[in-house]
Amino acid sequence: TQLLEQSPQFLSIQEGENLTVYCNSSSVFSSLQWYRQEPGEGPVLLVTVVTGGEVKKLKRLTFQFGDARKDSSLHITAAQTGDTGLYLCAGLGSNYKLTFGKGTLLTVNP
Amino acid sequence: DSGVTQTPKHLITATGQRVTLRCSPRSGDLSVYWYQQSLDQGLQFLIQYYNGEERAKGNILERFSAQQFPDLHSELNLSSLELGDSALYFCASSVEGTWNTEAFFGQGTRLTVV
Repeated sequence: TQLLEQSPQFLSIQEGENLTVYCNSSSVFSSLQWYRQEPGEGPVLLVTVVTGGEVKKLKRLTFQFGDARKDSSLHITAAQTGDTGLYLCAGLGSNYKLTFGKGTLLTVNP
Repeated sequence: DSGVTQTPKHLITATGQRVTLRCSPRSGDLSVYWYQQSLDQGLQFLIQYYNGEERAKGNILERFSAQQFPDLHSELNLSSLELGDSALYFCASSVEGTWNTEAFFGQGTRLTVV
């Protein structure tokens, strides 16, 4: 079973602060996806990273895939209240199935 | 709006009962995935269908079953319900049968078993 551990589980910050959340595994994934889920909604795909060491930027969000393709991080610069939500990472494993972490619940306070 | 429609949005039922959750995928999408989301387990993959055929199975209980119909909508049947089955059930759809293409999630059905 390929498990993904996300940390921290909860994060509460003030608007304007920077933050990083992590997604770690002992398994290698062929690709890794990040989703954001808002209350009452389904997860929405933010980005897919495929190559070890890859860095992708989406406005104030920076995603990095570890060199060994076992871990990933999401960095948000100057967080806004609209960034509030549950951030999920999901890895595509050797069994071609997508395994989700339990998520980081981010609250950005005004 | 992701284009994936799930009904009903909320469902309250008693233990031992049977319910059916419905999912209409985005127009043109052939693949449907079902997920269960609970606070302690996170998002757990249940089952996937592609163009009417079962493609992959995850942690789906024997009390649960699903199918995809010729018009590509899908139904998830949950029977002999237990309190622990209370969760959010999500359907996602994608054009192809693999997770290499983007999948779009519906808004989910919140099931409460009392």
